[in-house]
Amino acid sequence: AQKVTQAQTEISVVEKEDVTLDCVYETRDTTYYLFWYKQPPSGELVFLIRRNSFDEQNEISGRYSWNFQKSTSSFNFTITASQVVDSAVYFCALDSNYQLIWGAGTKLIIKP
Amino acid sequence: GAGVSQTPSNKVTEKGKYVELRCDPISGHTALYWYRQSLGQGPEFLIYFQGTGAADDSGLPNDRFFAVRPEGSVSTLKIQRTERGDSAVYLCASSLFPSGASYEQYFGPGTRLTVT
Repeated sequence: AQKVTQAQTEISVVEKEDVTLDCVYETRDTTYYLFWYKQPPSGELVFLIRRNSFDEQNEISGRYSWNFQKSTSSFNFTITASQVVDSAVYFCALDSNYQLIWGAGTKLIIKP
Repeated sequence: GAGVSQTPSNKVTEKGKYVELRCDPISGHTALYWYRQSLGQGPEFLIYFQGTGAADDSGLPNDRFFAVRPEGSVSTLKIQRTERGDSAVYLCASSLFPSGASYEQYFGPGTRLTVT
């Protein structure tokens, strides 16, 4: 079965702290894609990153970084020096036969 | 360029009525997806189009739900005999190709459907 688990329902940190959002997935596919999306209070889902199963290199984009560990089926997302504008719900998703299988999301609250 | 647009942004209807939700994808995107998102949950897949045809409609909950994309661009999600449990935000997304070919999906702002 294909499944994505985001165990952290809500995280609250003070601005400038680093924060890591966890994502664990299950799939029997040998080739698959993993995604992170951000959903701010306005509601529109914003694409952040796509990673294919053959590329285990970590990726950094500004204050964002992603750690893909195939051995533990995890694709964690870290925000460094968090800002209030980072407050949103973050979703991890797995591509399975052209569908996206979504986690339940982690609500991130950044306090000033 | 223009993103995915959805109309209406909000729709309130009475139980038992018929509704249509419209999605206008990004120009040139061949794949179009419909999802449903309930409060506090991740999106739930409904149907996916490649061009004009529904390539996968396995997520449609029952035969009250139907979607079309007659010219391979705009899509309409149709819900007959609406029930209160249909209340949710309906999201549309498009991509250059199916995301299995490594193209990400771009989402519209959604239509919030409330069935009273």
